Amino acid sequence: AQSVTQLDSQVPVFEEAPVELRCNYSSSVSVYLFWYVQYPNQGLQLLLKYLSGSTLVKGINGFEAEFNKSQTSFHLRKPSVHISDTAEYFCAVSLTPTGANNLFFGTGTRLTVIP
Amino acid sequence: NAGVMQNPRHLVRRRGQEARLRCSPMKGHSHVYWYRQLPEEGLKFMVYLQKENIIDESGMPKERFSAEFPKEGPSILRIQQVVRGDSAAYFCASSPFAENYGYTFGSGTRLTVV
Repeated sequence: AQSVTQLDSQVPVFEEAPVELRCNYSSSVSVYLFWYVQYPNQGLQLLLKYLSGSTLVKGINGFEAEFNKSQTSFHLRKPSVHISDTAEYFCAVSLTPTGANNLFFGTGTRLTVIP
Repeated sequence: NAGVMQNPRHLVRRRGQEARLRCSPMKGHSHVYWYRQLPEEGLKFMVYLQKENIIDESGMPKERFSAEFPKEGPSILRIQQVVRGDSAAYFCASSPFAENYGYTFGSGTRLTVV
């Protein structure tokens, strides 16, 4: 069975500093990987996804993530954060490219950007 | 075009009562998914419905929980005889078809059982 680990439950970072949110997964077969963001009092929205092709994936709001198969990781990065990036970030994995019934989420990382 | 609307935002129930959570998908979306987030855990899939049909309920507890998505009106997640362990955030997502995860999520309903 597949699972997702987000090691950092909270990440404080100063405005304009770079940030990396870590995500590791376990699976014996090929997976599809996703990052979702949840802004305060809003629903989750898809930030970026890796389905195939280039291992460096660019998403919305300047975020990017790199799929590393050997390290089973899909860390999320941004070179310079803004106050508006304060949110909860969820990594998710699936064995199929579609179908919400196959989507497994991590426990989330709360990013707090400090002015 | 309103997003996915969930209500109520917060719901408090005493043990043994019933909880009804509503989800109105985006206009034109006929696929609805319910997820539950227990404290300190990630979101977990519960049930997938299309209009008037339950497609996959493999993540739904076998007892006390039920879901429907009628031809008219919102999708309803119903929890009978709630217990403290049901306290969680319940999220609904919708999509126009079974797509590659660009689902639109609602803001969730936070259920507290006292």
